[in-house]
Amino acid sequence: DMKVTQMPRYLIKRMGENVLLECGQDMSHETMYWYRQDPGLGLQLIYISYDVDSNSEGDIPKGYRVSRKKREHFSLILDSAKTNQTSVYFCASSSGTTGNTLYFGEGSRLIVV
Amino acid sequence: GDSVTQTEGLVTLTEGLPVMLNCTYQSTYSPFLFWYVQHLNEAPKLLLKSFTDNKRPEHQGFHATLHKSSSSFHLQKSSAQLSDSALYYCALSSFNNAGAKLTFGGGTRLTVRP
Repeated sequence: DMKVTQMPRYLIKRMGENVLLECGQDMSHETMYWYRQDPGLGLQLIYISYDVDSNSEGDIPKGYRVSRKKREHFSLILDSAKTNQTSVYFCASSSGTTGNTLYFGEGSRLIVV
Repeated sequence: GDSVTQTEGLVTLTEGLPVMLNCTYQSTYSPFLFWYVQHLNEAPKLLLKSFTDNKRPEHQGFHATLHKSSSSFHLQKSSAQLSDSALYYCALSSFNNAGAKLTFGGGTRLTVRP
């Protein structure tokens, strides 16, 4: 079954704490993504990973870093979370290059207080 | 850089009326265009995508035509259904220095009323 799994689904953190969002996929897709979703701003690309240890900044990478040590796992790390990082984070994966479909996870809702 | 513009943030329709959601784009290359749909509390999923030739993609009654001359990929449906209420994203796939990436528009929330 083709699936992208995100953990945790809901998270509340205090400002300054570290946050780890994890994503797994069972399709052996080489490309994985992290987006954040905010009302009116749509889905904004944070980071993209083209394979293990081959990561590239997206459009809004500031305040985030990523790790991809296995093809099936892609982590998003927030070192010292800020209140403006409160959002819904989506992980996605795809195969190939231009024209291939993105498969999204269910999302991780992060609240930073 | 690449960008996607969806001019309507909110669209409210009565069931049975036609749907048209606007999407225009800017890209250095000749990109693929997509429409993704996200129902409440669900993940976004692909609705349809453009072809390299002049075929018009269709799915679940929705269709979209890529017009390169006007850089548009508007989403249309002849008759809206209540179940069409969702958030719709237009997106383009293009290349950066490292490889391909997908850029989304701001989204259009469609509400269909009885």
